[in-house]
Amino acid sequence: SQQGEEDPQALSIQEGENATMNCSYKTSINNLQWYRQNSGRGLVHLILIRSNEREKHSGRLRVTLDTSKKSSSLLITASRAADTASYFCATAKSYIPTFGRGTSLIVHP
Amino acid sequence: ETGVTQTPRHLVMGMTNKKSLKCEQHLGHNAMYWYKQSAKKPLELMFVYNFKEQTENNSVPSRFSPECPNSSHLFLHLHTLQPEDSALYLCASSPTSGGAEFQETQYFGPGTRLLVL
Repeated sequence: SQQGEEDPQALSIQEGENATMNCSYKTSINNLQWYRQNSGRGLVHLILIRSNEREKHSGRLRVTLDTSKKSSSLLITASRAADTASYFCATAKSYIPTFGRGTSLIVHP
Repeated sequence: ETGVTQTPRHLVMGMTNKKSLKCEQHLGHNAMYWYKQSAKKPLELMFVYNFKEQTENNSVPSRFSPECPNSSHLFLHLHTLQPEDSALYLCASSPTSGGAEFQETQYFGPGTRLLVL
């Protein structure tokens, strides 16, 4: 299966700390995306990283991709209470992304 | 706002009812998707439409019937559902679903929270 799996399933931190989430997948990919979902809402695209890229930044987000290990990480720096949400990685072998179960992040004020 | 709207936002229905979920995108995209999200499970792809044509049916039971009258609108008709069908139903769109070699960003609606009694 192409499905990405996020780790940890749940993460609880204090405001101001960094949060790191990981995603592992099983087969080769063309790119990997990270999405965020607030409780009971739709997913919002955060960042896309292509297979020939190793690192990408967007604001307080940093994504890395290691295709040799088939893994990616999402780092949120200086977290805020508003970052509380579930985070999903999405991988695909064709044009349809496959999502994992997500990491539930809670940032305590 | 992502440019994708879904109605209703909440729906409670009995197992003998017939109801429809509606999705509309204002992004000029050509591909639309239905997903089911249940607690503690990965997001499940149900249907994909590309230029109004269904291109994916992920072994979804026939009690779920999609309809795509044009590239901007997508419906999910529901009839004789089961309690285990209770979930958050998400609609998404993307510019196109053509091309097997790249994955495109998807834009999601807020979802319809469905409860089947």
